[in-house]
Amino acid sequence: QKEVEQNSGPLSVPEGAIASLNCTYSDRGSQSFFWYRQYSGKSPELIMFIYSNGDKEDGRFTAQLNKASQYVSLLIRDSQPSDSATYLCAVISSGYGGSQGNLIFGKGTKLSVKP
Amino acid sequence: DAGITQSPRHKVTETGTPVTLRCHQTENHRYMYWYRQDPGHGLRLIHYSYGVKDTDKGEVSDGYSVSRSKTEDFLLTLESATSSQTSVYFCAISEGTDTQYFGPGTRLTVL
Repeated sequence: QKEVEQNSGPLSVPEGAIASLNCTYSDRGSQSFFWYRQYSGKSPELIMFIYSNGDKEDGRFTAQLNKASQYVSLLIRDSQPSDSATYLCAVISSGYGGSQGNLIFGKGTKLSVKP
Repeated sequence: DAGITQSPRHKVTETGTPVTLRCHQTENHRYMYWYRQDPGHGLRLIHYSYGVKDTDKGEVSDGYSVSRSKTEDFLLTLESATSSQTSVYFCAISEGTDTQYFGPGTRLTVL
């Protein structure tokens, strides 16, 4: 059973601080990694994807990938109250048969940014 | 929501009744997916489609069936709804087996 693990939180940070969200995955063959943001009562919204080891930056967001450690993280700089949401880590499964290519989601980390 | 609509958005039904949820896309993407999201379980794949009339099971397919007769429409059917199928259902689309975009969701309550 392929698994994606996240700390459920809530993670609370003050406005303007850096929020660090972490994710580990069990499928060593996975090559594609995604971060989604989900506001309460809404659908998941893609924030970033990363395929290669290292950092990928997009505005205030930085995704970090370490395939050797099977670890993905998302950093949010200058956190704003509007960043308060649940963040979902997702990994493309490298499994055989029907599961290959399917997204496996973590249960999400709830982030709260306090003004 | 990347040109994805779901209908209905909310539904309350009774145990034992059939229910069909519809996902409609205007992006002409090849792949379509149905997920359910429950507290403590996160998003779980029910069924997916990789083309017209081509579908396969996901992690939690028992009690569900799907059909895709046109590229733009993917239907999820609960043949005989049970209370354990009370959930929020999301449709997603992707061009390849990669980045997925989600629809607005359907909240289903089975009494």
